[in-house]
Amino acid sequence: QKEVEQNSGPLSVPEGAIASLNCTYSDRGSQSFFWYRQYSGKSPELIMFIYSNGDKEDGRFTAQLNKASQYVSLLIRDSQPSDSATYLCAVRIGGATNKLIFGTGTLLAVQP
Amino acid sequence: EAQVTQNPRYLITVTGKKLTVTCSQNMNHEYMSWYRQDPGLGLRQIYYSMNVEVTDKGDVPEGYKVSRKEKRNFPLILESPSPNQTSLYFCATGPLNTGELFFGEGSRLTVL
Repeated sequence: QKEVEQNSGPLSVPEGAIASLNCTYSDRGSQSFFWYRQYSGKSPELIMFIYSNGDKEDGRFTAQLNKASQYVSLLIRDSQPSDSATYLCAVRIGGATNKLIFGTGTLLAVQP
Repeated sequence: EAQVTQNPRYLITVTGKKLTVTCSQNMNHEYMSWYRQDPGLGLRQIYYSMNVEVTDKGDVPEGYKVSRKEKRNFPLILESPSPNQTSLYFCATGPLNTGELFFGEGSRLTVL
């Protein structure tokens, strides 16, 4: 069974701090990795994806991938109360497929 | 405006009464999929479609049917709903062979 594991949280950080969200996956054949944000009562929306080992930055968000350790993380710099949401890690196994395996998500609470 | 539209958004029904949840996208994507989201279990794929007339089972297909007669529409059919199908359902679409998904607003279904 292919799995994606996340700490459910809540992860509480003060406004302006760096929030660090972590995710591990079990399938070494996984090829691409995604972070979706889901506000309470809303649908998930894609915020970042990463394919290669290392860091990928987009504004206040940085995705980090370490395939050897099967570990993906999302850093949010200068956290804002509007970042409070559940962050879903998703892994695409690869090949001719769109199939994603989702983690159960980490709830982030940014305190003003 | 790019949209994924689901209907109904909310539905309370009784065991055994057939229902259909519609999904329509105007993004011209080949790939469409249905997910259910349950507390502690995350997003789980029910069915997916790579193109018109091409559908396949996801991880939790039991009790569901789908069809893909047109590119833009991908209805989810519950022939004989049961209480364990009470859930939040999301339709998603995206480009082929990526993990980039665009979700509808969700349909909250309660089966009594």
